[in-house]
Amino acid sequence: EAAVTQSPRNKVAVTGGKVTLSCNQTNNHNNMYWYRQDTGHGLRLIHYSYGAGSTEKGDIPDGYKASRPSQENFSLILELATPSQTSVYFCASGDTRQDTQYFGPGTRLLVL
Amino acid sequence: AQKVTQTQTSISVVEKTTVTMDCVYETRDSSYFLFWYKQTASGEIVFLIRQDSYKKENATVGHYSLNFQKPKSSIGLIITATQIEDSAVYFCAMRDPYGSSGNKLIFGIGTLLSVKP
Repeated sequence: EAAVTQSPRNKVAVTGGKVTLSCNQTNNHNNMYWYRQDTGHGLRLIHYSYGAGSTEKGDIPDGYKASRPSQENFSLILELATPSQTSVYFCASGDTRQDTQYFGPGTRLLVL
Repeated sequence: AQKVTQTQTSISVVEKTTVTMDCVYETRDSSYFLFWYKQTASGEIVFLIRQDSYKKENATVGHYSLNFQKPKSSIGLIITATQIEDSAVYFCAMRDPYGSSGNKLIFGIGTLLSVKP
C-alpha cells in the first residue's frame, strides 16, 4: 500500500529559527509536493518536485525552500521561520502518469 | 487563472440519506481532471474519486458518485446512504495537465459534512 510519512508530526519553533520538515515516500513516485493548510484557504501548494534533484516553486513559495535529494525524500526548509508560517503542512506523492496524489499525515508547526 | 470554489461551508444530514456537495471550477483548458478528497477528523487526507473532463459518464466508486456538468463547470459529489463515518471535510480539486500549473492540484476550501444518527 502507498505510504507517505512525515517527520516531525509536531514542531514548535522560535521566530528566526531554521525549521526542516521531512517527507519520505515508498510509492516510487516521481512527483512530490508540499502543501500548507490554513482555515479559509484549504490546501495551497508551496513547492513540488518532478524527481531527485529537482524542485519547483508552487503558488506560495516565499519564505520556503525545498530539497529533493532522492526519489524517496523531499524536505521543506524554513530558513528564518516567522509566526505567519504557523500551519499544518502536508506532503504528497504522485506518479507522473497517474493523477492521484497520496498524502502524508501532516506536520503541525507552531512558530512563536 | 485556475480556481476551484466550494460555496457550502458545512452540511448536516441524517445517516442513511443522500447528500450532494457542490463545486465549481475555472480553467481555460479543454482537458482537465477533477478530484474529490476526504479529510477525516484525525487529519488524514484520502483520495475518493476523479472525473476526466473528456469523459461524459459520471464517475462512481462505492457509495460516492459525481454529477459532472461541463457546460456549467460544475462537479458535484454525491454520497448515498451516508454513514456516521462519512463525517469529514471534503475537498474538491482540479488538475490542469496543459496549463502553467503542470501536474499541480488546485483545491477548494472544503465542505464540512456532519452525519448524525
